[in-house]
Formats: sequence, structure tokens, C-alpha cells
Amino acid sequence: LAKTTQPISMDSYEGQEVNITCSHNNIATNDYITWYQQFPSQGPRFIIQGYKTKVKNEVASLFIPADRKSSTLSLPRVSLSDTAVYYCLVGPGSGGYQKVTFGTGTKLQVIP
Amino acid sequence: NAGVMQNPRHLVRRRGQEARLRCSPMKGHSHVYWYRQLPEEGLKFMVYLQKENIIDESGMPKERFSAEFPKEGPSILRIQQVVRGDSAAYFCASSEGQFNSPLHFGNGTRLTVT
Repeated sequence: LAKTTQPISMDSYEGQEVNITCSHNNIATNDYITWYQQFPSQGPRFIIQGYKTKVKNEVASLFIPADRKSSTLSLPRVSLSDTAVYYCLVGPGSGGYQKVTFGTGTKLQVIP
Repeated sequence: NAGVMQNPRHLVRRRGQEARLRCSPMKGHSHVYWYRQLPEEGLKFMVYLQKENIIDESGMPKERFSAEFPKEGPSILRIQQVVRGDSAAYFCASSEGQFNSPLHFGNGTRLTVT
């Protein structure tokens, strides 16, 4: 099972780019890397998913080095509304998500 | 395309009563997961279901908790004889079931046991 490690919290000023890195040293060949955003009293919201190299969508970019032992979520020009908890998930590989663990995530605080 | 729908959003039960939480997955999704979240903690897996089958219930307490996903209708998480320790947010997620299909979550049911 791939265990993930993320910073517990980060602060950033509005308008800055924020990079959140997740370590997953024992990622399996079939595992994907998925990032979620969670606001208080809401369910996690899918942000982006990737397998290797770089993935980009209208919300974020995801950088995955060749060894895939880490990944970095990049949020361009954050605003106050980006204040949330961000979770990195690795899996599910060939099985379902029952073995995929949510850590405590990274609590991002955007400061005006 | 409607997302994952959970109801009720808030549920208050007295100790000893039953709680029923409902989840309708996204259209076309046949895989449903239930998670529990305590304040300031991550989500803890409870049970994984496909239509009419429980695939993995290893995260669910063996007593008082049960789950189903019938052929027709929503998935139900049932907690009998609730205790104060059952107070938490319960989230349902669904996926298409392929190995790279991401989970899509509902906004949860917040259960309060008084």
C-alpha cells in the first residue's frame, strides 16, 4: 500500500503560486496520483489526476518526476477561496479504493 | 450530469435510535464507497459496494453498522442503536470502477447523536 506524506499546513498570500508536494515512495506500477480539495462541511472535490510527467487543467498543474516517488500540485495565483485542505491519493492500482488511505492532508491558508 | 447526492445533510438522533444515510451515485457509476470523517481528521474507509454486492466491509464496525446498494435505488448506510461516538460526517463516493477512475464525493451527512 502506497503511503503518502504531505506538509500539515501551508500559508500563502493572495496572487502567489502555491506548490504542495506529496511523497509516495512505495507507489506501485498501476497506481495513479489524484489530488482532492476539501472545504469545511463539504465532500472532497476532484482537482487533478496523473500518472507521470505533467498534467494541466483549468484549475491546477500536477508534476510527477520520472521515478514517481513524489508529486507536486501547483495552484497558480491563489485567491482566498482556495483556502482548503488538499489531499494527495495514490492508487487504486488493480483493486478498488478500499486500500487507498486519506492522510490528514495539507491545510492551505491564503492570506489577503 | 448530477453529482453524488447524499441525504439528509444533517441528521440528529438520540442514543439508541437508528440512523439511515442515503447515497445516490453519479449516473453511470456502479461502485460506491462510504467514508467517515471526524473533525480535523482525514477520511476513513468504511465499506465498498457494487450493485447488490458488498465487496469490502473491512473498515466498518461489525456490530450495529450495515450497508447495502440494491439493484434499484440509492446505497444505504444504516447505523442501529446509535451512540455518541457515532457522531461524525459520513461521506459517500462513487466511481466508474476502472483502475484510473477517480472518486467523486457527495457533500456528506453530518450525524449528531444526543
